[in-house]
Amino acid sequence: ETGVTQTPRHLVMGMTNKKSLKCEQHLGHNAMYWYKQSAKKPLELMFVYNFKEQTENNSVPSRFSPECPNSSHLFLHLHTLQPEDSALYLCASSPGTTSTGELFFGEGSRLTVL
Amino acid sequence: QQQVKQSPQSLIVQKGGISIINCAYENTAFDYFPWYQQFPGKGPALLIAIRPDVSEKKEGRFTISFNKSAKQFSLHIMDSQPGDSATYFCAASKEAAGNKLTFGGGTRVLVKP
Repeated sequence: ETGVTQTPRHLVMGMTNKKSLKCEQHLGHNAMYWYKQSAKKPLELMFVYNFKEQTENNSVPSRFSPECPNSSHLFLHLHTLQPEDSALYLCASSPGTTSTGELFFGEGSRLTVL
Repeated sequence: QQQVKQSPQSLIVQKGGISIINCAYENTAFDYFPWYQQFPGKGPALLIAIRPDVSEKKEGRFTISFNKSAKQFSLHIMDSQPGDSATYFCAASKEAAGNKLTFGGGTRVLVKP
């Protein structure tokens, strides 16, 4: 595996379900990000982790719960979601967060909330 | 409040033509302006980026033009090819805030053969 890998690629869940999205990066980076991509809206930054520590929570509802056990893995735990949460969730990584530079994105997890 | 406004939302160009996408930003503290390219079913990938100390940057057929006083920057795709058909996103960030990008709304480009 190379780059940034996200699983599952597609997920359908009911509003009362609990599910998790997984992201793994094989680039040796220290920072990981969750972005939300909705139709007709710009990519929205959700969370940032640097060396496993959360450094940014962009006012994300608590029904989204991130977890970063180490610098290579990032999870997004989902519970009691709303239909408007249906979107493509993108994970990204970068060497760090102390300076600007390239983000390396995964292919995303397409979430549909019924 | 959208801090980076991108236009047009979609663009159709003939093969060999020039595609031009424009972005305007509001925050004068932004000092890094990348463009990302996204193909269907894939994540965005960095295409080209510019910092405000230069007014233009060229990489192959892709050129960024930057106008600091107008707070605008644009992407020019010269000799557009069908393989360039994708969605393009401009973005901006500031060094002081680390690597947190604010994205524009995206432009879907279709290059017709």
